Amino acid sequence: AQKVTQAQTEISVVEKEDVTLDCVYETRDTTYYLFWYKQPPSGELVFLIRRNSFDEQNEISGRYSWNFQKSTSSFNFTITASQVVDSAVYFCALSGGGNAGGTSYGKLTFGQGTILTVHP
Amino acid sequence: DTGVSQDPRHKITKRGQNVTFRCDPISEHNRLYWYRQTLGQGPEFLTYFQNEAQLEKSRLLSDRFSAERPKGSFSTLEIQRTEQGDSAMYLCASSPRGGRSYNEQFFGPGTRLTVL
Repeated sequence: AQKVTQAQTEISVVEKEDVTLDCVYETRDTTYYLFWYKQPPSGELVFLIRRNSFDEQNEISGRYSWNFQKSTSSFNFTITASQVVDSAVYFCALSGGGNAGGTSYGKLTFGQGTILTVHP
Repeated sequence: DTGVSQDPRHKITKRGQNVTFRCDPISEHNRLYWYRQTLGQGPEFLTYFQNEAQLEKSRLLSDRFSAERPKGSFSTLEIQRTEQGDSAMYLCASSPRGGRSYNEQFFGPGTRLTVL
């Protein structure tokens, strides 16, 4: 069974602070994909990043960066110089990477989410 | 707008009534997923289609729930004899056959169901 744990239920920061959202996952698949999604107050899930299990290279996109460590089964997300517009619920998710059409393929298992509030 | 669309956006119904939701995926996306999200929780997988074939159903999908995807295009999710516990946001997502966005799921705005 797959499981994603986001230990931080809520985080509150002041604008321009850096903030890291933690994500720990469990899977028996040797090939898998990790994702981060943002859910603003409007409710629609917005894709942020996808990482496959063979690529442990960290990634930076503007103020966002992701740290994937297979040894600790973690895929943490850092927002640098946070802004009020970053306020949202952030979800980490995991999917299996088996053959297309297989039971674990593509199905996302989400964590419970971290509510990030950035105060001006 | 070429994103995933869902209809209706909101639905209020009385317990015991049947409801049907529709999802239109991004054109030519061959995979379509339904998820349910309750307040304060992450989305939970319900079912998955590849083209018109329903390949997997979660144990969350009781016999009161049925989903279809005729002709591999839009999909419907029907809930019969609704219960208050069915109140949730129902999310639809689609993903492409291949290409750069392979295995990335694009989500619709969701249908919020309230069962009174």
